[in-house]
Amino acid sequence: NAGVMQNPRHLVRRRGQEARLRCSPMKGHSHVYWYRQLPEEGLKFMVYLQKENIIDESGMPKERFSAEFPKEGPSILRIQQVVRGDSAAYFCASSPKSQGTYHDYEQYFGPGTRLTVT
Amino acid sequence: AQKITQTQPGMFVQEKEAVTLDCTYDTSDQSYGLFWYKQPSSGEMIFLIYQGSYDEQNATEGRYSLNFQKARKSANLVISASQLGDSAMYFCAMRGAGSGSARQLTFGSGTQLTVLP
Repeated sequence: NAGVMQNPRHLVRRRGQEARLRCSPMKGHSHVYWYRQLPEEGLKFMVYLQKENIIDESGMPKERFSAEFPKEGPSILRIQQVVRGDSAAYFCASSPKSQGTYHDYEQYFGPGTRLTVT
Repeated sequence: AQKITQTQPGMFVQEKEAVTLDCTYDTSDQSYGLFWYKQPSSGEMIFLIYQGSYDEQNATEGRYSLNFQKARKSANLVISASQLGDSAMYFCAMRGAGSGSARQLTFGSGTQLTVLP
């Protein structure tokens, strides 16, 4: 059973360009979360999605950032007109549909995408 | 709002000794979950151990155990018999119960553990 997959693993963009980060959850998982890790910091929640639905985007910057999880295909985190402050590691995590057990709590993380804005 | 505090930016431990990484939390939820993750220099996030707020016994997973003191709101990670491969950043995290926004994880700032030969 493949784990959470993210691509690309490393992404370099010039200021003003767009960055698209992809996340394929574990098989059978219908919940996806995106987190951002700035250098020397812990992970910060950005957005929580289910298929075709944004459940919680309270951690997303108001401008330039968007996320989707279509019926088919991976979840996409999109950053428009990137700035140097967007340089960070972006992690995707997935979890199964709630079953009322403690396993429901565990989020499985992908390897992350390291975005560098030059 | 939930908050996780890790007060040890860096820790050193001698190989084969035990080490405790501190974590305190703040929440108004009655039901919640506490997690520890390991992040080696390669960058991936590795799940180590989970403790539910209503679990009566402290969680254990191999060499990892969680010293859960609910009244003190602390969830310290104990690593026994440290190995060189344990050198990594360690993050404490929590989430509330239920659905929706409660499902997000709140992370601490991490503790960099270095195991000395």
